[in-house]
Amino acid sequence: DAGITQSPRYKITETGRQVTLMCHQTWSHSYMFWYRQDLGHGLRLIYYSAAADITDKGEVPDGYVVSRSKTENFPLTLESATRSQTSVYFCASSVRGVPGELFFGEGSRLTVL
Amino acid sequence: QQQVKQSPQSLIVQKGGISIINCAYENTAFDYFPWYQQFPGKGPALLIAIRPDVSEKKEGRFTISFNKSAKQFSLHIMDSQPGDSATYFCAASKPNSGYALNFGKGTSLLVTP
Repeated sequence: DAGITQSPRYKITETGRQVTLMCHQTWSHSYMFWYRQDLGHGLRLIYYSAAADITDKGEVPDGYVVSRSKTENFPLTLESATRSQTSVYFCASSVRGVPGELFFGEGSRLTVL
Repeated sequence: QQQVKQSPQSLIVQKGGISIINCAYENTAFDYFPWYQQFPGKGPALLIAIRPDVSEKKEGRFTISFNKSAKQFSLHIMDSQPGDSATYFCAASKPNSGYALNFGKGTSLLVTP
């Protein structure tokens, strides 16, 4: 089915381990985004990408790395996970970075022990 | 710092009543103001949106009221139904950063039968 898919949906890891969350979209949208959702904070932008090989920091980028070698994929890597990175992570995409709808995936719930 | 302030944090409304959620912003560069609805275990989905050249937009039971001079906007849900029980996020975006959304902290709405 067309859309935006995230994997894994649930992940438990330990402090200091590397974790990669995957995001794949089938619409060929130019823009892709990573948000984290935490109680009391709403959704906060981690990184975004305007196109393949173009990425930029959002509000809370520290501790995260992104890449975008292909338009349809936008993985998020936690190089050395910390407990404060326990959160629900959402990937989103939009057509061209003009005012309009962001389409969100169903989220990846990450727990760092 | 939170660029969009949202209130109340939670709201309980009886079926058939009016639900009102308020948001305020400071950055006058914002030029797109959407509301997103999120059900448990799902990603946020666009509900309704407005541009600042319009003071009100209505779609079915959902209305956005926008006050540019006060830098405030609100969501009204008329004839609220139990199926409207969800978390609602206001957001704002601007031309740079690809119209990435700056979200409020969210309002948890419960509509009682």
